[in-house]
Amino acid sequence: NAGVTQTPKFQVLKTGQSMTLQCAQDMNHEYMSWYRQDPGMGLRLIHYSVGAGITDQGEVPNGYNVSRSTTEDFPLRLLSAAPSQTSVYFCASSYSFNGWGNYGYTFGSGTRLTVV
Amino acid sequence: GESVGLHLPTLSVQEGDNSIINCAYSNSASDYFIWYKQESGKGPQFIIDIRSNMDKRQGQRVTVLLNKTVKHLSLQIAATQPGDSAVYFCAERNSGGSNYKLTFGKGTLLTVNP
Repeated sequence: NAGVTQTPKFQVLKTGQSMTLQCAQDMNHEYMSWYRQDPGMGLRLIHYSVGAGITDQGEVPNGYNVSRSTTEDFPLRLLSAAPSQTSVYFCASSYSFNGWGNYGYTFGSGTRLTVV
Repeated sequence: GESVGLHLPTLSVQEGDNSIINCAYSNSASDYFIWYKQESGKGPQFIIDIRSNMDKRQGQRVTVLLNKTVKHLSLQIAATQPGDSAVYFCAERNSGGSNYKLTFGKGTLLTVNP
């Protein structure tokens, strides 16, 4: 059981380049999300998905696209990288939040992205 | 990892002491709260959660207290160990809006001195 797998772990991009951060989970979780983490800013939600074919914007969606064609995968695309997108990106998944129980997210180990 | 700790509130304790990490939340409609631990270079890990209809919940060496009157959450770690050194985040779920988003606090850096 691998949990949440993110690739790559590190990436350096030039301004204007595009790339896709990969996220896969093997827990059959309905809910998946992408966060970015910057010093002193905590975790900020970029996009999230409540199931295959359904996505929505979070707090800081500009410059990023997502899709959810399968339950397992939730890739994050940077369309035209900018230095302001230098950050650590985390993917997280969980069962549905509708109801009670342990709905703590399972996080991936992160992707450190530098845009120069 | 190491950059996460910059500009964060910090708490420094001696090994074996008890630690108390505090979190203020802003939304009175939040109905569910979670504490996470993030070690250097890793993703956040779930520690313990609590529903808004509870005041206290205990786990192994950890206790979460919820005071809804002042919108305050705390995490108590008993007999703190060097392996507890990490950044600790609280998160709240707002039942008034989308049920699928958590809002995270900025975190507190806990350093345990041997």
